[in-house]
Amino acid sequence: GQQVMQIPQYQHVQEGEDFTTYCNSSTTLSNIQWYKQRPGGHPVFLIQLVKSGEVKKQKRLTFQFGEAKKNSSLHITATQTTDVGTYFCAGSSGNTGKLIFGQGTTLQVKP
Amino acid sequence: GAVVSQHPSRVICKSGTSVKIECRSLDFQATTMFWYRQFPKKSLMLMATSNEGSKATYEQGVEKDKFLINHASLTLSTLTVTSAHPEDSSFYICSAPKGGADYGYTFGSGTRLTVV
Repeated sequence: GQQVMQIPQYQHVQEGEDFTTYCNSSTTLSNIQWYKQRPGGHPVFLIQLVKSGEVKKQKRLTFQFGEAKKNSSLHITATQTTDVGTYFCAGSSGNTGKLIFGQGTTLQVKP
Repeated sequence: GAVVSQHPSRVICKSGTSVKIECRSLDFQATTMFWYRQFPKKSLMLMATSNEGSKATYEQGVEKDKFLINHASLTLSTLTVTSAHPEDSSFYICSAPKGGADYGYTFGSGTRLTVV
C-alpha cells in the first residue's frame, strides 16, 4: 500500500537556526498536506500543495512539492520557540480522499 | 473556520467494556470522516473511512467488529471500541475535509482512551 516516509524523526535547533523536514511517498500523490501538532494537541492544517514543482510560503515557512509529485519539504527560516511541535506531511492519491501521514518530525527549539 | 468537536477527551474504562467516541462537524457537513489512532510520539495511523449513510471502509489489519463506526448524519460520526482491552489504549482522533485547498482536513481534539 501507499507509504509516506518522513525524515528526520527529531531535530533540535538553537533559536534562530533553520529547520527542514523531508517527505517521500512510494506513489505519485494527487496532493500533499502539511500539519503541525503541538504536544498534547491535535494536528492543525498548515497548507496543501497540488501542482508539480509548487512552492508556497507562509511567513518563515516554505513548502515545496517535487516535480514528480512524490516528495515534499518544509523549511522554516530562523526558528522561534513557538515553532516547537511535530510537523507531519500527509499525502493523498486517487479519489478516496484518504490521507496517509508520514512519521512526523518533532522540532525542539532551544532559546 | 471549520470545527470538529470530539468527545470525550479522556476516558478510562475497564477491560471488556465498550466505549463510544463522537465526532461532530459544527459548521459544515461532513459526508466523510476519517478515524485515526496515534500511539505516543508516533504518527497517525488511518483506521477507517466513515461515510454518511453507508458502511465504513476499514484499513487493512483493522478489526471492523472491534471498532464499530457509524455515520448516521452529515454532522456526526461515532467510533465504538467494543470489548476494550489494555492494548486498545491509545489516542483516537477523527478528521473531516471541509473542502477547498485553504482548509485541508479539520481534526477533532482527540480522545485519550485508557483501558485498565
